[in-house]
Amino acid sequence: NAGVTQTPKFQVLKTGQSMTLQCAQDMNHEYMSWYRQDPGMGLRLIHYSVGAGITDQGEVPNGYNVSRSTTEDFPLRLLSAAPSQTSVYFCASSYGSRLYNEQFFGPGTRLTVL
Amino acid sequence: TQLLEQSPQFLSIQEGENLTVYCNSSSVFSSLQWYRQEPGEGPVLLVTVVTGGEVKKLKRLTFQFGDARKDSSLHITAAQPGDTGLYLCAGPPHSGAGSYQLTFGKGTKLSVIP
Repeated sequence: NAGVTQTPKFQVLKTGQSMTLQCAQDMNHEYMSWYRQDPGMGLRLIHYSVGAGITDQGEVPNGYNVSRSTTEDFPLRLLSAAPSQTSVYFCASSYGSRLYNEQFFGPGTRLTVL
Repeated sequence: TQLLEQSPQFLSIQEGENLTVYCNSSSVFSSLQWYRQEPGEGPVLLVTVVTGGEVKKLKRLTFQFGDARKDSSLHITAAQPGDTGLYLCAGPPHSGAGSYQLTFGKGTKLSVIP
């Protein structure tokens, strides 16, 4: 049971490039989400999904796209990278309990945009 | 938007000392979660408190949920270097739409010096 996995661990992009951050979970969790973590800003929700085929925007969705074609995978796409997207990105999953929604986090992707 | 304020922001103590960190809000939360994040890794869930006034113990860590469910505290007894990390509190909104979206505090960064 690998839990939540993310690839790559590190990535450097040039402004304007696009890329996809991969996230997969093997716990059969319905709820998955993407956060970014910046110094002094805490964890901010980018997009989330409550099940395959269903996605919605979080607090900071601009510049990012997501899709959820399977329960296991929830990739995050950067359409045209900007220096403001330099951050550490975390994928998380949970059972989707409305009461608790306890999150299981991946190890993160550290992204630098030059 | 429900906010969670954590204090102190930074804390540096000697091994063996006791400490308390706080998580406060003006809003009611149906539950609160505490996570610990070690450098270079994703947050890991420590505990969830659900009932107002609830106290939970996890070895040397004691978690308390306020009677009004607006605040929580984490007390560490005889801190050890292994306790070093970023402590985050988080909670789902009390009710209504968007109940899947957790609100995170910005965290308390704890350093325990040997």
